[in-house]
Amino acid sequence: QQQVKQSPQSLIVQKGGIPIINCAYENTAFDYFPWYQQFPGKGPALLIAIRPDVSEKKEGRFTISFNKSAKQFSLHIMDSQPGDSATYFCAARQTGANNLFFGTGTRLTVIP
Amino acid sequence: DVKVTQSSRYLVKRTGEKVFLECVQDMDHENMFWYRQDPGLGLRLIYFSYDVKMKEKGDIPEGYSVSREKKERFSLILESASTNQTSMYLCASSLAGELSYEQYFGPGTRLTVT
Repeated sequence: QQQVKQSPQSLIVQKGGIPIINCAYENTAFDYFPWYQQFPGKGPALLIAIRPDVSEKKEGRFTISFNKSAKQFSLHIMDSQPGDSATYFCAARQTGANNLFFGTGTRLTVIP
Repeated sequence: DVKVTQSSRYLVKRTGEKVFLECVQDMDHENMFWYRQDPGLGLRLIYFSYDVKMKEKGDIPEGYSVSREKKERFSLILESASTNQTSMYLCASSLAGELSYEQYFGPGTRLTVT
């Protein structure tokens, strides 16, 4: 059973567009929701993370929106660039745990 | 600069062979993880370790074992490799506690079992 459901599986946008990747969960014991970015040939790297008591967090062009009542969160990339082309994973951590539950990933392609 | 290194980038093994994948981190992290990554399935946790000689099963431990004899080193063992274990294997490490959501990944080992 997938603890964190991610969509879409792939996404193609024009340069300057705003791709949105969505994730949903059921477990209310999750206390951190990180996003990871993976370029081809590399391991994933932490991009940005949010706690459930915050509705939005921005870091540069990357924004997480969090809807606690709907148990959904999403990643928005403002003014997307070809260099943002990568696979993005959402994840969740249960309170007191050491491991993460990852979504299935979204392959983003930004066309010049 | 934090670093997680994996012993091989590419590995080709035959069915039935015993395979060792090694991972080393230089950040004095308590937690270490082994994942496999397959298209459409994301990152699936095989095993993780929160201390030396300690291990916990992840979502797909069948066919795998692990060893952590030193804090910086975490090994994944395929006792008898099978073709369905052809995959990308990623090692990661993190601090324990509040910051455990920040995992640092190695570059991965692409294993092919023929």
